[in-house]
Amino acid sequence: NAGVTQTPKFQVLKTGQSMTLQCAQDMNHEYMSWYRQDPGMGLRLIHYSVGAGITDQGEVPNGYNVSRSTTEDFPLRLLSAAPSQTSVYFCASSYHPGTEYGYTFGSGTRLTVV
Amino acid sequence: GQQVMQIPQYQHVQEGEDFTTYCNSSTTLSNIQWYKQRPGGHPVFLIQLVKSGEVKKQKRLTFQFGEAKKNSSLHITATQTTDVGTYFCAVSGSARQLTFGSGTQLTVLP
Repeated sequence: NAGVTQTPKFQVLKTGQSMTLQCAQDMNHEYMSWYRQDPGMGLRLIHYSVGAGITDQGEVPNGYNVSRSTTEDFPLRLLSAAPSQTSVYFCASSYHPGTEYGYTFGSGTRLTVV
Repeated sequence: GQQVMQIPQYQHVQEGEDFTTYCNSSTTLSNIQWYKQRPGGHPVFLIQLVKSGEVKKQKRLTFQFGEAKKNSSLHITATQTTDVGTYFCAVSGSARQLTFGSGTQLTVLP
């Protein structure tokens, strides 16, 4: 099925561990973004990409790295997990935001850092 | 980046009542998007507004963009239990990245 696929759906990490959240889309979308969602905080932009090889920081980039080697994939790396990174992470993609197309979101990764 | 204030944060309505959420910006917006997130789900794109004074309708949902392009509203007529969720507005930055409002959580009481 076409869409944005995020893996894993759930993850528990210990403080200091690293991991990569995977995001893949098969819609040939150029624009991709990572958000975190905390209760009462809405969606906050972590990193975004406007095409393969191009990434930039969002509102809350500290503690996270991204790369975009292909159009399809946009992984998010947690370098050294902290309890403050406990959150729900959403990946989203869009053909061309600013036209009639909005962002398509993945189903999310629920991360707990203990 | 651009910021938007969204009100109210919470809204409880009886089924059949109307509901409105508002987004306000201190700067002129190029466009505004609206998303709905069901409990436990992910945001789903509803619509985008681009033109000053624009009004768009989707069944019982009416979306408006202010004349000065600094505010927007989403109005639901005769709410149903299927309308439950959080409604977000979002605005585009210079690289088309989205900044979301804080959302309005709608509860519909049967």
